Amino acid sequence: GDSVTQMEGPVTLSEEAFLTINCTYTATGYPSLFWYVQYPGEGLQLLLKATKADDKGSNKGFEATYRKETTSFHLEKGSVQVSDSAVYFCALSTNTGNQFYFGTGTSLTVIP
Amino acid sequence: EAGVAQSPRYKIIEKRQSVAFWCNPISGHATLYWYQQILGQGPKLLIQFQNNGVVDDSQLPKDRFSAERLKGVDSTLKIQPAKLEDSAVYLCASSSVGGTLDEQYFGPGTRLTVT
Repeated sequence: GDSVTQMEGPVTLSEEAFLTINCTYTATGYPSLFWYVQYPGEGLQLLLKATKADDKGSNKGFEATYRKETTSFHLEKGSVQVSDSAVYFCALSTNTGNQFYFGTGTSLTVIP
Repeated sequence: EAGVAQSPRYKIIEKRQSVAFWCNPISGHATLYWYQQILGQGPKLLIQFQNNGVVDDSQLPKDRFSAERLKGVDSTLKIQPAKLEDSAVYLCASSSVGGTLDEQYFGPGTRLTVT
């Protein structure tokens, strides 16, 4: 069945370091892909999304490219800040839009 | 704009008891979702409503879980009877239309502990 696999955490980086959180997926058809973020004490919120192959989603300095050939949607940011400390979830929705699958989440801590 | 509201925020019950969670989506949002998030895992979709109709409930354990959205606005998720493995955070989300292109807005969740 459809699923999402993301790298396990926790990840600890120094401020201004480069961030990559890997995400790969298994799906039939053409899913849409998402990154959600959960800041401490807050609910999940959408960070970025891509709905077709080669699309790049971007927001707040984060980027991810929908790679169909490698079934991946890795999250990247060139220079992380302390305020980026959160849990990041990769997710997909099926092309019918009726099912959503989340990864297990990757906890990121950025230290000054 | 008010966000998705959920109550209670925390609930502790003994196994075999019943429990209900309430969700009020963002005003005007047609689609409502209930997720279960077990500690250390990602959210798992239990049921999706479009207005007051069920779009998908394939992952809802129907022998003990039920959900309704009678007037197409707020929703209730019930567990009866609860098991230890039901301990989780129950998240409600809503979106204006639904489908792959529509952003879901999540509530703060209800943390359930079954002892």
